[in-house]
Amino acid sequence: TQLLEQSPQFLSIQEGENLTVYCNSSSVFSSLQWYRQEPGEGPVLLVTVVTGGEVKKLKRLTFQFGDARKDSSLHITAAQPGDTGLYLCAGVHSSYKLIFGSGTRLLVRP
Amino acid sequence: GAVVSQHPSRVICKSGTSVKIECRSLDFQATTMFWYRQFPKQSLMLMATSNEGSKATYEQGVEKDKFLINHASLTLSTLTVTSAHPEDSSFYICSAIISNEQFFGPGTRLTVL
Repeated sequence: TQLLEQSPQFLSIQEGENLTVYCNSSSVFSSLQWYRQEPGEGPVLLVTVVTGGEVKKLKRLTFQFGDARKDSSLHITAAQPGDTGLYLCAGVHSSYKLIFGSGTRLLVRP
Repeated sequence: GAVVSQHPSRVICKSGTSVKIECRSLDFQATTMFWYRQFPKQSLMLMATSNEGSKATYEQGVEKDKFLINHASLTLSTLTVTSAHPEDSSFYICSAIISNEQFFGPGTRLTVL
């Protein structure tokens, strides 16, 4: 069974602080995606990383894919209350099937 | 605008009844759709792959006779939860593959009393 473990499971920080979320897999995926989900809604794609060692930036969010393509990280700089949500990594199979990580619930306090 | 819709957005039913959830791709054709289930404070778990014109492929541990999937057209997949029980209460989310990208629906909250 392929598993993606995320850490931490829950993070509560003050506005303006930085944070990093980790996603570790026991398997190699063709690519890895990061999603953000609000309560009562479907997940929304933030980024897809494909190449080992790849780094992508999306405003204050920086995504990194490990060299071995088994782990990834999401770093948020100067977190805002609007960043609050559930962050999910997902390993992508060639058949478009997604295996979601365990999730990291982020709360940014004003 | 939204690419994938789900109906209903929330449903409450009595134990033992069946509930049908629709997933539609709006203005796009989707030969492949996926169904996920998400329990409170947990991640999404893939239930099955829905392929237009053929039988769905179920993930290990998902009962195909309990969760009936029909993908009769290129824009519609339905998930029917048969003989629902309180433990089936969950957030059901579908997604559609459109032009090699995966788009998620807004989810359906099912509560079985």
